Amino acid sequence: AQSVSQHNHHVILSEAASLELGCNYSYGGTVNLFWYVQYPGQHLQLLLKYFSGDPLVKGIKGFEAEFIKSKFSFNLRKPSVQWSDTAEYFCAVNPRNTGGFKTIFGAGTRLFVKA
Amino acid sequence: GAVVSQHPSWVICKSGTSVKIECRSLDFQATTMFWYRQFPKQSLMLMATSNEGSKATYEQGVEKDKFLINHASLTLSTLTVTSAHPEDSSFYICSARGGAYNEQFFGPGTRLTVL
Repeated sequence: AQSVSQHNHHVILSEAASLELGCNYSYGGTVNLFWYVQYPGQHLQLLLKYFSGDPLVKGIKGFEAEFIKSKFSFNLRKPSVQWSDTAEYFCAVNPRNTGGFKTIFGAGTRLFVKA
Repeated sequence: GAVVSQHPSWVICKSGTSVKIECRSLDFQATTMFWYRQFPKQSLMLMATSNEGSKATYEQGVEKDKFLINHASLTLSTLTVTSAHPEDSSFYICSARGGAYNEQFFGPGTRLTVL
């Protein structure tokens, strides 16, 4: 079965620390990849997405992610986190053979940034 | 980005009653809407996919007679939880896709508490 795994359930960082959240998926075909963020009390928002082309994707708020096809990974990074980055982050995958209609989410990683 | 709303944001009902949750795309026509369920500290689980004017496609393990989905217009989909039980208590999130957008936009979610 297709699945998405996020390596850390909880991450605590101090401001200005660098962030990397791991995401791996199990699906042999072509996929679209996403990272969503859910700030406390708010709904899911798209951080960035990868459909094709340059495997290094830039998103909003200084986030980026790198698609490594050979590793089935799509890790999220930010060089210097801020207190306002405290949120829950979800990695998600759309297998292309579903027409992009079936999104599978990882369990989420809760990031807490200490001021 | 596009806006998706849900109503109500929180509903409390008695066991055995039915509850209807609305999902609206406010500024675009949603040809496809998705309903997810999120348990505490867990990821989003896709329940069903609905295309405007046709029957919803339910994921394995989701009872279609219990979770009635109607997508009667390009801006509105409803999820009715029939004969609700305490185990149906959860956070229900809808998303919509369509128009010029090839990504999903998420609503803020509806918290259902069944007493």
